[in-house]
Amino acid sequence: DADVTQTPRNRITKTGKRIMLECSQTKGHDRMYWYRQDPGLGLRLIYYSFDVKDINKGEISDGYSVSRQAQAKFSLSLESAIPNQTALYFCATSECPGLTPDDTFGSGTRLTVV
Amino acid sequence: EDQVTQSPEALRLQEGESSSLNCSYTVSGLRGLFWYRQDPGKGPEFLFTLYSAGEEKEKERLKATLTKKESFLHITAPKPEDSATYLCAVPPFSGGYNKLIFGAGTRLAVHP
Repeated sequence: DADVTQTPRNRITKTGKRIMLECSQTKGHDRMYWYRQDPGLGLRLIYYSFDVKDINKGEISDGYSVSRQAQAKFSLSLESAIPNQTALYFCATSECPGLTPDDTFGSGTRLTVV
Repeated sequence: EDQVTQSPEALRLQEGESSSLNCSYTVSGLRGLFWYRQDPGKGPEFLFTLYSAGEEKEKERLKATLTKKESFLHITAPKPEDSATYLCAVPPFSGGYNKLIFGAGTRLAVHP
């Protein structure tokens, strides 16, 4: 099993629908992150969490919400999806980002909003 | 404004043809620069961390170097399995290591 599992891998949804992307990890890391990746823009941070009671906004949190259900689970929700939220979404875990080879990303969720 | 710019956007090499990828940054008080490899359909995978100008790190055919304004990822005698997108990232001047600023990446294709 993958260390960081994202579901679904692909999703097409309609404008205005609520959708949840899920992430679970077996690394035992406290820190979890949600990023989106767009062509030509690189990865941008949406939300991050240090534990179930500590949620923080990232660079582009508008239109998104998150829930940290347990140390191992971190979900991203789009309350009312819009087409410009079409992107590749990645969940990641780390003890401290970029400082150790133990940074682990999931394989991504490709979301299309039509 | 803190920024990271990678060039070229895409690079096509023949197997064995060495080259370099560039990552330039405008961040005050650099506290580290990170390189990742991303294969199609997968998330980024950590490669290197560089902390100070003059530092170098190597892994197989890859060598990362750092100056005060940019980092290079040198690829020596690449093989087709080196084909991937290479990302660099830096922590911003304020905001800590949790809010890394990523470049858009360089898509490398190595052909036999």
